[in-house]
Amino acid sequence: KAGVTQTPRYLIKTRGQQVTLSCSPISGHRSVSWYQQTPGQGLQFLFEYFSETQRNKGNFPGRFSGRQFSNSRSEMNVSTLELGDSALYLCASSLPSRDEQYFGPGTRLTVT
Amino acid sequence: SQKIEQNSEALNIQEGKTATLTCNYTNYSPAYLQWYRQDPGRGPVFLLLIRENEKEKRKERLKVTFDTTLKQSLFHITASQPADSATYLCALVQTGANNLFFGTGTRLTVIP
Repeated sequence: KAGVTQTPRYLIKTRGQQVTLSCSPISGHRSVSWYQQTPGQGLQFLFEYFSETQRNKGNFPGRFSGRQFSNSRSEMNVSTLELGDSALYLCASSLPSRDEQYFGPGTRLTVT
Repeated sequence: SQKIEQNSEALNIQEGKTATLTCNYTNYSPAYLQWYRQDPGRGPVFLLLIRENEKEKRKERLKVTFDTTLKQSLFHITASQPADSATYLCALVQTGANNLFFGTGTRLTVIP
């Protein structure tokens, strides 16, 4: 079974721009969560989607948004990029009845 | 404030010895706690899950304990091998929620 895939793997953007990251969960997984990982803050939860609905949200500004499609694929969007948004963005999927999350390889975003 | 602290940022251990990693939490009411392994440039990989009403879980060379009175989890790798070198993250899920709150991580190096 294919794992969680994320595209693109690497991205360089300029301050003020916006970016969209994509995540395809493992087949059959309907829950998708997004996390930001930085050296200073570690792994922090952004939001979780289940059946196209945002089920949970972390403490990030409104510039960070996401959505989920009917095939469970998910996208996250960051508008008006800031230097501090440079991070590894990780997507994880899980089954509703299981507790462990399966992470993708991440998208490395660099904001210059 | 809420905190999840892992005992040390880095831990070096001789091959064959038992590595013990500590995870302490403050102001959380975890339903369960998980341990993940992360290699450089990759997403975390799920290792073990332990629920609040469980004291100990084992999987091959791995053992995790959970003490809700001490608000602490211990993660043990017995007969450690150089291939066990990685960053280990503890994460907890609060009752009624699904998102993971991650600890700061411990970078383990097993010396041949």
